[in-house]
Amino acid sequence: SYELTQPPSMSVSPGQTASIPCSGDKLGDKNVCWYQQKPGQSPVLVIYEDSQRPSGIPERFSGSNSGNTATLTIFGTQAVDEADYYCQAWDSATSGVFGGGTKLTVL
Amino acid sequence: QVHLVESGGGVVQPGRFLRLSCAASGFTFTDCAMHWVRQAPGKGLEWVAIISFDGSATYYADSVKGRFTISRDDSKNTLYLLLDSLRADDTAVYYCAKDSHPIFGALDYWGRGTLVTVSS
Repeated sequence: SYELTQPPSMSVSPGQTASIPCSGDKLGDKNVCWYQQKPGQSPVLVIYEDSQRPSGIPERFSGSNSGNTATLTIFGTQAVDEADYYCQAWDSATSGVFGGGTKLTVL
Repeated sequence: QVHLVESGGGVVQPGRFLRLSCAASGFTFTDCAMHWVRQAPGKGLEWVAIISFDGSATYYADSVKGRFTISRDDSKNTLYLLLDSLRADDTAVYYCAKDSHPIFGALDYWGRGTLVTVSS
C-alpha cells in the first residue's frame, strides 16, 4: 500500500519560515492536500491540489510538489500556526492516504 | 455555510456493530463525494472510506474493508457508516468530511467528530 512520510516534529521561531516535507513514491504525479489540526479541533484544509489555498487561509501558507516530495511552507510563522499538519493524497488503488503528521512548535 | 454533524458514537463491545450518521447542510449534497476519517486517541488521521456523489462507487481502507459500509441518503442529506465486527483498534474519533469534487478531491469541510470506544 502507498505510504506518505513526514517528520514527527519540527520547531520554528516566530517570524521565520517553516518547511514541512511529505515524501512518497512519485508523489509529484499526484495531487497533494495539507490539513492543519489544532488540539481538540477538527482538521482544516490549508492547501489543495499541491499549491492552492482555500478561501480564508492566510497567504503565508504555500505548497509545492515535485519528484518524491511535497512541501508545506509557512512564511512568517506565527504562534497561531502551532498545530499538527498532515499531508494527504490518493493512491492508484483509489484509497486515501494521510502522512503520519508533523507537530509544528513555534518557539 | 457548510455544516456537518456526526452522531451515533458510544461504547460498544468487541464484535458488535454500530451505525454512525452525519447530517449535512449548507451545500448541494448530491454534488459531492463524502468521506469518513478516523483518529485514534493521541494518533494521526486515518482515511476510512469514500462514497461518490451519486453513491455508485465506494472505496475503503484495507483496515476496515469487509467490516465497514459507507452509504448515503440524499433525500435526508445524510451520510452513514455501518461499523461491524468491531475491534479494540477501531476505537477513535470518527469524522465526516465533504469532498470538494464528485470523487477524489480535497476534504474541504469536516465535522466535529463522534467518539467510538470498543471495549468489553
